[in-house]
Amino acid sequence: GAVVSQHPSWVICKSGTSVKIECRSLDFQATTMFWYRQFPKQSLMLMATSNEGSKATYEQGVEKDKFLINHASLTLSTLTVTSAHPEDSSFYICSARDPGGSKADTQYFGPGTRLTVL
Amino acid sequence: AQSVTQLDSHVSVSEGTPVLLRCNYSSSYSPSLFWYVQHPNKGLQLLLKYTSAATLVKGINGFEAEFKKSETSFHLTKPSAHMSDAAEYFCVVSKRDDKIIFGKGTRLHILP
Repeated sequence: GAVVSQHPSWVICKSGTSVKIECRSLDFQATTMFWYRQFPKQSLMLMATSNEGSKATYEQGVEKDKFLINHASLTLSTLTVTSAHPEDSSFYICSARDPGGSKADTQYFGPGTRLTVL
Repeated sequence: AQSVTQLDSHVSVSEGTPVLLRCNYSSSYSPSLFWYVQHPNKGLQLLLKYTSAATLVKGINGFEAEFKKSETSFHLTKPSAHMSDAAEYFCVVSKRDDKIIFGKGTRLHILP
């Protein structure tokens, strides 16, 4: 149980285009999902918290107009990188929090999406 | 405020020997603590979680961790390393606002 999927697993795009990444909780409903960014050989950096039915909460220094987050259902959150530039190239990972019982504060992670902007 | 420190950025062990990955935490309340593993270009997999029910926590793939409040430690161990254990390991502490804090990670190398 507690499986989170991401799509696509990798994407290459041209500078100036927008890219959408999907994060799905497959066997549980997630009222809260998180989006992280990971640079090579580094730990994960929280970008934003995605709450179903409300606006996302962004961490300091993360441009909300650049990284659009939509959490339209209890099983799907999307991250859109708008007007992507080479410096946006990174590994993006989502997680979902299982709200049930003793697992309430456990985050389950997706497999990640490798974004390369040319 | 919560924080977590992984004491080693790299650990190398021979296959079949014990593994010890060290983690110290700081928290103003009794937190939940986690260990996650990340294989190259993959997401994070939950190894185990401490939630105050028991100080010795058993996880998947033969890993376990012991919560020691007096030492503010939550070290990860495994009796016998396997080649497939080579990966990045993250110690994580929970915060009250549903967020989690990652350690910087420990790269585990397994020598044949």
